[in-house]
Amino acid sequence: DAKTTQPNSMESNEEEPVHLPCNHSTISGTDYIHWYRQLPSQGPEYVIHGLTSNVNNRMASLAIAEDRKSSTLILHRATLRDAAVYYCILRDQGGKLIFGQGTELSVKP
Amino acid sequence: KAGVTQTPRYLIKTRGQQVTLSCSPISGHRSVSWYQQTPGQGLQFLFEYFSETQRNKGNFPGRFSGRQFSNSRSEMNVSTLELGDSALYLCASSAGLERRNEQFFGPGTRLTVL
Repeated sequence: DAKTTQPNSMESNEEEPVHLPCNHSTISGTDYIHWYRQLPSQGPEYVIHGLTSNVNNRMASLAIAEDRKSSTLILHRATLRDAAVYYCILRDQGGKLIFGQGTELSVKP
Repeated sequence: KAGVTQTPRYLIKTRGQQVTLSCSPISGHRSVSWYQQTPGQGLQFLFEYFSETQRNKGNFPGRFSGRQFSNSRSEMNVSTLELGDSALYLCASSAGLERRNEQFFGPGTRLTVL
C-alpha cells in the first residue's frame, strides 16, 4: 500500500486560509488521492478526492502537484468547526482506505 | 437519505465473550467496509464486503469475521474477546468499489472489554 506523509499538527486562525500538505512520493499512476477528516467523537468524513487535476468542492480545494508526488488540501476560510484530524489517503484498489496518522488541525478564534 | 447507522453505539463485554456489531449502509450502497480505531494504532482496515462477498481483508486474526446480507446490511463478529479489542469500530458504505468512490462513515460502536 502506498504511503503518505503529513505533518502531525498545524494551527490556523479563524477565517484565514489553511494549506494542509501531503507527500506521496510512491504514488502509482492509478492511485486516487482522497482526503477525509475526523471531528472529535465522530466517524471520518469525506472531504475531497482527485486523480491528476486540481479539484474544488463546497468544502475545500485539492491542489495536486504536476508529478503527483504531493498534494495540498486548501480550506479557504477556516472556522472553529474545521478543527479535526485530516487524513490524506492513496486509494489503490477496492474499497479499503489505509489511514496514516493524519494532521491534527487546531483553529484559534 | 439516511446515513450509515451502527448498532449498538456502546457495548461492554468481558474477556472471552463474543460480540456482534451491526451496520446498515446508505440506501443503494452495496459496499460496506469495517475499521477499528484505537489510540495506539489509529484507524485500521478490517474487511470489506460487496454483494455479500468479502473483497478485501486487513491484517487481523481470524477471531474477527464479518458477513453481508442480501440487503447490503453487514455484521462483524469478534470471538474470544481480548482486552486489546477495546476500540471504536467504524462501518463505512460506498456505492461501489471504484477508487473514486467516497466512503460514508457511521458514528461507530464503542466496545469496551473488561
